Amino acid sequence: GAVVSQHPSRVICKSGTSVKIECRSLDFQATTMFWYRQFPKQSLMLMATSNEGSKATYEQGVEKDKFLINHASLTLSTLTVTSAHPEDSSFYICSARGGQGDPYGYTFGSGTRLTVV
Amino acid sequence: GIQVEQSPPDLILQEGANSTLRCNFSDSVNNLQWFHQNPWGQLINLFYIPSGTKQNGRLSATTVATERYSLLYISSSQTTDSGVYFCAVNTGNQFYFGTGTSLTVIP
Repeated sequence: GAVVSQHPSRVICKSGTSVKIECRSLDFQATTMFWYRQFPKQSLMLMATSNEGSKATYEQGVEKDKFLINHASLTLSTLTVTSAHPEDSSFYICSARGGQGDPYGYTFGSGTRLTVV
Repeated sequence: GIQVEQSPPDLILQEGANSTLRCNFSDSVNNLQWFHQNPWGQLINLFYIPSGTKQNGRLSATTVATERYSLLYISSSQTTDSGVYFCAVNTGNQFYFGTGTSLTVIP
């Protein structure tokens, strides 16, 4: 089945620095990828839709200048948390629609736990 | 946007017991999936089930699209079934997660 790889799985950074999270589709091409954020004991909230070769579409309330998304190829989307603050600490997950005929629908990466200190 | 509600929010089971988790959604959907999020946060695909019934081992799922709900059945529960179960629906290019059911299976 379709596989989505997300890296890193955990990252700790200092306030004010930037952190980049990568999401790769390993065995299929994904023109669209999605980024989610999950606070402790809560559901996943869609942050933005990443479109290959064009600008990302952000959900209401998500700061596009803080959460930079780049989808430069059909297999890679990146989320950069800029000037990170402790309140950005969260679990971030990406997903992509599988290849044609994929029976599993959307496949998710394993997530990145970001801690800003 | 579409509302996706799950019940119950929390569930504690004795090992070996059966359970039914419910997902209600407020509008027509193109796609519905059930996921298990393990203690490390990883989302595991359980079912892609926009309609009908599917079974995989001790798990099965039924979606009645016309009545806007889906059910996940867990039979003979095991401690490894513990975690949070999410349903998620897609209405085109938007994918919405439900509120989740936190399941604890005790030995």
